[in-house]
Amino acid sequence: NAGVTQTPKFRVLKTGQSMTLLCAQDMNHEYMYWYRQDPGMGLRLIHYSVGEGTTAKGEVPDGYNVSRLKKQNFLLGLESAAPSQTSVYFCATSQTSSREQYFGPGTRLTVT
Amino acid sequence: GQQLNQSPQSMFIQEGEDVSMNCTSSSIFNTWLWYKQDPGEGPVLLIALYKAGELTSNGRLTAQFGITRKDSFLNISASIPSDVGIYFCAGRNNAGNMLTFGGGTRLMVKP
Repeated sequence: NAGVTQTPKFRVLKTGQSMTLLCAQDMNHEYMYWYRQDPGMGLRLIHYSVGEGTTAKGEVPDGYNVSRLKKQNFLLGLESAAPSQTSVYFCATSQTSSREQYFGPGTRLTVT
Repeated sequence: GQQLNQSPQSMFIQEGEDVSMNCTSSSIFNTWLWYKQDPGEGPVLLIALYKAGELTSNGRLTAQFGITRKDSFLNISASIPSDVGIYFCAGRNNAGNMLTFGGGTRLMVKP
């Protein structure tokens, strides 16, 4: 039982490059979330999903896209990376909207 | 958007001391969560609170859901070196789907 896993753990991109971050969960949770964490700012929600095939915008969605084709996976895409997207990205899951969220180990992304 | 003010921003204490930190909000929440984050790791859930006035313990940690539903407190008793990390509060309002996080309290413990 791995819980929530994220790949890759680290990545360096040049401005304008694209990439996809993968979040996988084995807890059969309906809800999945993508956050970014920047120094002194806590975690901010980028996008989330309330179930397979659904996605919704969070607090800071611009420059990101997401897809939830399978219940256990939630993908975060950057189509044209910018230095402002340098951050640590965390995926989280929850059984329902009102229950606690469980986080993955994070992906550290640097855009030069 | 909603704001969560978490204080203090950092604390440097002696091993064995008790620690208190709190979060306040300008609006009402119906869920409060407390997380701890170690360096290079994701946040780990410590305590979840679902009712105003609720007081819940997890070992040496105790958290309370404020009566006004606009604040929450976390206490750590008899701190030890492994308590070092960043502690985050998070609140959820009636809209339900999103958590709002505080800015974190960085705890440092001197052996």
